[in-house]
Amino acid sequence: SQQGEEDPQALSIQEGENATMNCSYKTSINNLQWYRQNSGRGLVHLILIRSNEREKHSGRLRVTLDTSKKSSSLLITASRAADTASYFCATHRGSTLGRLYFGRGTQLTVWP
Amino acid sequence: GAGVSQSPSNKVTEKGKDVELRCDPISGHTALYWYRQSLGQGLEFLIYFQGNSAPDKSGLPSDRFSAERTGGSVSTLTIQRTQQEDSAVYLCASSFTSGRSSEQFFGPGTRLTVL
Repeated sequence: SQQGEEDPQALSIQEGENATMNCSYKTSINNLQWYRQNSGRGLVHLILIRSNEREKHSGRLRVTLDTSKKSSSLLITASRAADTASYFCATHRGSTLGRLYFGRGTQLTVWP
Repeated sequence: GAGVSQSPSNKVTEKGKDVELRCDPISGHTALYWYRQSLGQGLEFLIYFQGNSAPDKSGLPSDRFSAERTGGSVSTLTIQRTQQEDSAVYLCASSFTSGRSSEQFFGPGTRLTVL
């Protein structure tokens, strides 16, 4: 079963604009991770935020986590056409080790 | 190789046939995971191996699905008597440990089409 739900399901923006994607989850978590997937192939890990963190930055990426609302957001600033991909949030549920629970993803399209 | 590799990259089979999908994890990674992804969907967990521990098979959708990991390295996912609903991309991932903070490194996937 899915743990997270991303919204929007699809997002279309122009180069240079910021893209914000949201993720909600249902159970307690240890950490939340964001992954990127190009053209239905393998996923690439972008960033991890722990449950005791509220915000984290990595290059043009900014992730926030609100455990009281069981939600996270991924912000990509100054987007580029190369950022076009699907973005997934994933969590370890409670004390469960190893397996990740993924949402259905947000399809981001950045137009040049 | 530096990353997780999977073979074949594409597999087309007829309903009722058995298929084997292979995953070569990153050398030294103790944890290995199989997921599948249907068109436009998120990833569905199938099975995970951690070292010599018994695998977590809780995600396998039916007894037609099985997986093994030989020598703590290469893994094979077998689907017997394939059905059309088995069509999906099967993704393998590995990580250093199964710790809750471990990043998972994914292979490029095997696209399975059952006719």
